[in-house]
Amino acid sequence: GAVVSQHPSWVICKSGTSVKIECRSLDFQATTMFWYRQFPKQSLMLMATSNEGSKATYEQGVEKDKFLINHASLTLSTLTVTSAHPEDSSFYICSAREAGGQLNEQFFGPGTRLTVL
Amino acid sequence: QKEVEQDPGPLSVPEGAIVSLNCTYSNSAFQYFMWYRQYSRKGPELLMYTYSSGNKEDGRFTAQVDKSSKYISLFIRDSQPSDSATYLCAMSFTGGGNKLTFGTGTQLKVEL
Repeated sequence: GAVVSQHPSWVICKSGTSVKIECRSLDFQATTMFWYRQFPKQSLMLMATSNEGSKATYEQGVEKDKFLINHASLTLSTLTVTSAHPEDSSFYICSAREAGGQLNEQFFGPGTRLTVL
Repeated sequence: QKEVEQDPGPLSVPEGAIVSLNCTYSNSAFQYFMWYRQYSRKGPELLMYTYSSGNKEDGRFTAQVDKSSKYISLFIRDSQPSDSATYLCAMSFTGGGNKLTFGTGTQLKVEL
């Protein structure tokens, strides 16, 4: 149980284009989903927290107009990287917190590797 | 100073060795402590979850939390090559919105 999927697993795009990444909780309902970014040999950095049906809360330094997050249902959240540039190349990982589950327990997706040329 | 410090390694041990992984932290508000295992190009997988100080054992894994020293450890007994991965500590507290703060991860290699 508690499986989180991400799609795509990897994507290569040209500079200036937008990329959408999907995060799905497959066997549970997720009231809260989190989006992280991880650079090589570095830790996960929280970008934003999204609650179903409401606007995402972004961490300091994360541009909300560049990283658009939509959490339209209890099983799906999307992250759109708009006007991507090479410095946005990174490993993007989502996690989900189960409705009624322990507040500190997050289940992570397998990640999406974004390369911007 | 980072909120959570973790030696990045790499740490290389022979199969069967006992592995000790550690994190220190500066925020005394942290209440919940977790260890995640992350294989290359994969998302983190929760290994251990502890609340406040004390020990917790699960199979070959033992997690220890010493809040007075702001120090947590993960011990792996009888290490196997399949344990080769990056191990991330993470912590949170209720007043902080239950957001996880991660260490940088320790890369472990268990050799035959």
